[in-house]
Amino acid sequence: GNSVTQMEGPVTLSEEAFLTINCTYTATGYPSLFWYVQYPGEGLQLLLKATKADDKGSNKGFEATYRKETTSFHLEKGSVQVSDSAVYFCALSAAFSGGYNKLIFGAGTRLAVHP
Amino acid sequence: EAQVTQNPRYLITVTGKKLTVTCSQNMNHEYMSWYRQDPGLGLRQIYYSMNVEVTDKGDVPEGYKVSRKEKRNFPLILESPSPNQTSLYFCASTKGSSGFGRRETQYFGPGTRLLVL
Repeated sequence: GNSVTQMEGPVTLSEEAFLTINCTYTATGYPSLFWYVQYPGEGLQLLLKATKADDKGSNKGFEATYRKETTSFHLEKGSVQVSDSAVYFCALSAAFSGGYNKLIFGAGTRLAVHP
Repeated sequence: EAQVTQNPRYLITVTGKKLTVTCSQNMNHEYMSWYRQDPGLGLRQIYYSMNVEVTDKGDVPEGYKVSRKEKRNFPLILESPSPNQTSLYFCASTKGSSGFGRRETQYFGPGTRLLVL
């Protein structure tokens, strides 16, 4: 079946450190891949996405590349800030029978950045 | 401003007392869905709707009902809430649900935190 696995948190970093949050997926067909971010007390908002193999999504200094050969979509940022502290969700959207597409989420990774 | 709104944001209730959480979007989206978020489990889909009067079960539908009488609204109904429905609930909408709709971004509401005593 379709599933998303992401590294467990919490991830604790100092400001300006390099960030990697691993995400791997299992899917049939050609899913789209997403990273959503949830800041404290807020809903989810899209951080970046990639809709086909080898695409790179980027936003606010974050990047992730859709790697079909390794079924991965790891999130990276070169220099994190305190304001990046949040929960990050990896997700895929895949086609299901019945003609609709469904978003499947990983468990989420909490990031805490300290000054 | 394009947005998904939910009400209420916080709710404390008792077992068995029917409640409704409202969801509304102003983007003319066809597809709407409800998720619950629980620690260590991420978000799981409760129900979804592909358009007006078209709804279907997601992964965890037990104990919930929905309706889609208008395109913009998608309320979540708990007929007889139980403590295991204590959770954080999110409504989401997106432009399309079929074919290349999988490339579309889903827009989420701010969440409703529910405590069932």
